[in-house]
Amino acid sequence: EAQVTQNPRYLITVTGKKLTVTCSQNMNHEYMSWYRQDPGLGLRQIYYSMNVEVTDKGDVPEGYKVSRKEKRNFPLILESPSPNQTSLYFCASSFGVHSPLHFGNGTRLTVT
Amino acid sequence: SQKIEQNSEALNIQEGKTATLTCNYTNYSPAYLQWYRQDPGRGPVFLLLIRENEKEKRKERLKVTFDTTLKQSLFHITASQPADSATYLCALEGNNRLAFGKGNQVVVIP
Repeated sequence: EAQVTQNPRYLITVTGKKLTVTCSQNMNHEYMSWYRQDPGLGLRQIYYSMNVEVTDKGDVPEGYKVSRKEKRNFPLILESPSPNQTSLYFCASSFGVHSPLHFGNGTRLTVT
Repeated sequence: SQKIEQNSEALNIQEGKTATLTCNYTNYSPAYLQWYRQDPGRGPVFLLLIRENEKEKRKERLKVTFDTTLKQSLFHITASQPADSATYLCALEGNNRLAFGKGNQVVVIP
C-alpha cells in the first residue's frame, strides 16, 4: 500500500531533550516536506526537500533540522525542543512540487 | 505579502444541498491550485487539482473553478452528505513550496 509513515504518533517530552520524528514513503517520491499545524494558524511548512541531499527552509524553520540521505526517508530533528514547538506535525511527499501531496497520519508532539 | 484566504466560519448545510467554499489569494501567480480534505487529527487528503488554463474541474460530486483574474477558486460539493463533513483546504504553489489556506469547515446536517 502506498503510504507515508510517520513515527511516533504521539510524543510527550521535556524542554531541551533532543528528539527525532521519522518519516518514510514507499512511493519513490522525490519531493518531501514537513508541516506543523496549529489552531488558528493552519498548516505551515517547516522544511522541504526537492531530492536526496537537497533541503531548504520553509516558512517556520527555526528550531528544526532535517536531512535527506535516502530518497524514502526525511526525518525531522528537534535538537532542543521548547514548549512553543508543541504542535501537530505532518510529513508529506509527492513526485514534485507541482504534484499532489500525500500526507502521513501526523505526530502530536507535546513539549513541557 | 502572499496570502491565501478561506472563510474561517464553519459552513452548516442541509443534507442534499450544494456547499460552496471560496479560496482567495494575493501575490501568487499559481500555475495550478489544489484542494484537500482534512478530518480531525488526520492528514489532509488530496481531492482535486485545477490548472490556470482550466476554468472548471469535476470529480464525482465535487466541482472546482479557478479564476486567475479574480484570484479566486470556488469549491462545490453537490448533493452533500453527512460524510462530507470535514475541513477543506486550498493550496497554492509558490517558490517551490506548497502553501495552504487555513481551511473552511463544512458541517452537513442530516
